Amino acid sequence: KNEVEQSPQNLTAQEGEFITINCSYSVGISALHWLQQHPGGGIVSLFMLSSGKKKHGRLIATINIQEKHSSLHITASHPRDSAVYICAVGSNYQLIWGAGTKLIIKP
Amino acid sequence: DTGVSQNPRHKITKRGQNVTFRCDPISEHNRLYWYRQTLGQGPEFLTYFQNEAQLEKSRLLSDRFSAERPKGSFSTLEIQRTEQGDSAMYLCASSSTPGTGGFYGYTFGSGTRLTVV
Repeated sequence: KNEVEQSPQNLTAQEGEFITINCSYSVGISALHWLQQHPGGGIVSLFMLSSGKKKHGRLIATINIQEKHSSLHITASHPRDSAVYICAVGSNYQLIWGAGTKLIIKP
Repeated sequence: DTGVSQNPRHKITKRGQNVTFRCDPISEHNRLYWYRQTLGQGPEFLTYFQNEAQLEKSRLLSDRFSAERPKGSFSTLEIQRTEQGDSAMYLCASSSTPGTGGFYGYTFGSGTRLTVV
């Protein structure tokens, strides 16, 4: 079993839909990261969470430390949100990566 | 400061040649990380520095790989006698010491894509 599990692996939705991507982990962490990677592009850090909830524009990230679970939500999704979203948990010096969720938003 | 800068963006080299990549982190960040990402896979940790000290090195990093951060600022990653299996995206990231760092804990560079032919 992977230490960081993401679901779904692939998600296709229509523009405007509310999107949820889930992440579960089995290791002790100092922080959980949500990152975005466009095809052929670099990685952009969206959120770093150690508790509770954070919001940035149309993006919301939540974490439940007791349940070792985090969710990334996108409200009013747009085709430019199409990318791979990666959950990674931070130990002392490195990130343990989930496999990523490939999101496609159709106009 | 415009973020983490990596050079070159792309590198094509013949098998057996040596290559060197450079990473310039965010100036306030004391930690610098190198990752490798192959097609369709998540990034794999290679090594990290806190200031100029290389504190951890993955077993993925064979003897042909060496990384330096001589003045605690920019870092170089050198691959000697490149092999086709070294073809990958090499990502650099920087951060403050965990627990600080504000909204963005890690900042990644755009990567150097290495193709060994």
